[in-house]
Parts: sequence; structure tokens; C-alpha cells
Amino acid sequence: NAGVTQTPKFRILKIGQSMTLQCTQDMNHNYMYWYRQDPGMGLKLIYYSVGAGITDKGEVPNGYNVSRSTTEDFPLRLELAAPSQTSVYFCASSYPPGSTNEQYFGPGTRLTVT
Amino acid sequence: AQKITQTQPGMFVQEKEAVTLDCTYDTSDPSYGLFWYKQPSSGEMIFLIYQGSYDQQNATEGRYSLNFQKARKSANLVISASQLGDSAMYFCAMREHTGTASKLTFGTGTRLQVTL
Repeated sequence: NAGVTQTPKFRILKIGQSMTLQCTQDMNHNYMYWYRQDPGMGLKLIYYSVGAGITDKGEVPNGYNVSRSTTEDFPLRLELAAPSQTSVYFCASSYPPGSTNEQYFGPGTRLTVT
Repeated sequence: AQKITQTQPGMFVQEKEAVTLDCTYDTSDPSYGLFWYKQPSSGEMIFLIYQGSYDQQNATEGRYSLNFQKARKSANLVISASQLGDSAMYFCAMREHTGTASKLTFGTGTRLQVTL
């Protein structure tokens, strides 16, 4: 049981480039989330999904896109990378509300845009 | 207004002492949950403890306990018998039930340093 895995661990992008951050979970969680963490700050929600085929915007969605074709995978796409997107990106998953609903986090992807 | 406020950017505590990390929250949702996560220097987010808004008792998990004062809207984390390995960032987070989603709002964190 690997939990939540993210690739890559680190990436440097040039301004205007695009990339996809991968996230996979093997806990059969319906709910998945993408957060970003800027230096010295808490996490902010970018996008979330309550199941395959269903996604919605979080607090800071501009500049990002997501898709959810399977329960396991929830990739985050950056189009036209900007320096403001330099951050650490965390993917998380959870069971639906009604229980503790703890979110399980991946190890993060550290992205630098220069 | 901030939904989650952590007013202590940094705290020091001596090994084996207890420490309280403050967290206040703001919500009009009668059903909500409060979480504490630990983030060591390696960067991963580690779940510590959870308190539901309807829970009568304060949550405890080993050396961690949550001092939940609903009327004051506070959910302070108490770490007893601090260890050097407790040195980390600590984040308070709140889950509100907005529709079918279950999203967390995080505070800005408190950096705890445990000293000898």
C-alpha cells in the first residue's frame, strides 16, 4: 500500500513552459485534492475532485487545469508557467465526509519557474 | 476574515516539557472538523489529531491532545513531554461541509523548536 504518490519530486521550468504533475493513490479514495504551499505559508486548495469525471475549483485555480479519468489518478496541468507558480505542490486524498475524513498527503513536488 | 488563525509564528520548548500551539477559527457552519498536521523539515504532511464540532470530549492521540473550546472558537494543540523529533511546522486546519465536498482551510503554521 503506497498511499499517495507524486511525480516528479523536483522540477525547474522556464517561463511559458507547460508540465503535468502526476498524483496516484491506491486507497480507493473518491476524494482527491491539489494544494500549493508557498514559502512560510499554509496550504491553499487549487482544485479538488469528488470522484472520477468530477472536478471543481478551489481557492487558487488560475493557471492550472485538472482531469480525473480514473479513481486512482488526479494529474495537475500547468500551462504557460509563470514565476508566481513557484511553490511546493501537494496532492491528497480522502474518504467522503461522515468520518474523520483525514486527508492523506503525498510527499510533494517542488517546482521552480525561472 | 481569516478562517484559521495561528498567532504564533515560532515557539520554543525544552525537551520533556509540555507546549500549547494556538489555533482559532471562524465559521458559521454548525458541522465542521478541526485537524492538526505536522510538517517536518523533510516536507511531508503528517496527520496528528482530529476534533469534530459535535464531539463532547477533547480528542487525544498519544502525546497529542486538542483543547477544544467551542464558544471561544479555539482548538489548541497540546504536546506533552516534548521530544527533539517534535521540532517541525504545525498546521491547524478546518473542514467545513460545503455541498458534497470536504475541503480543508489551513492556517499559516507555527514552527516549534524543541531544545535540550
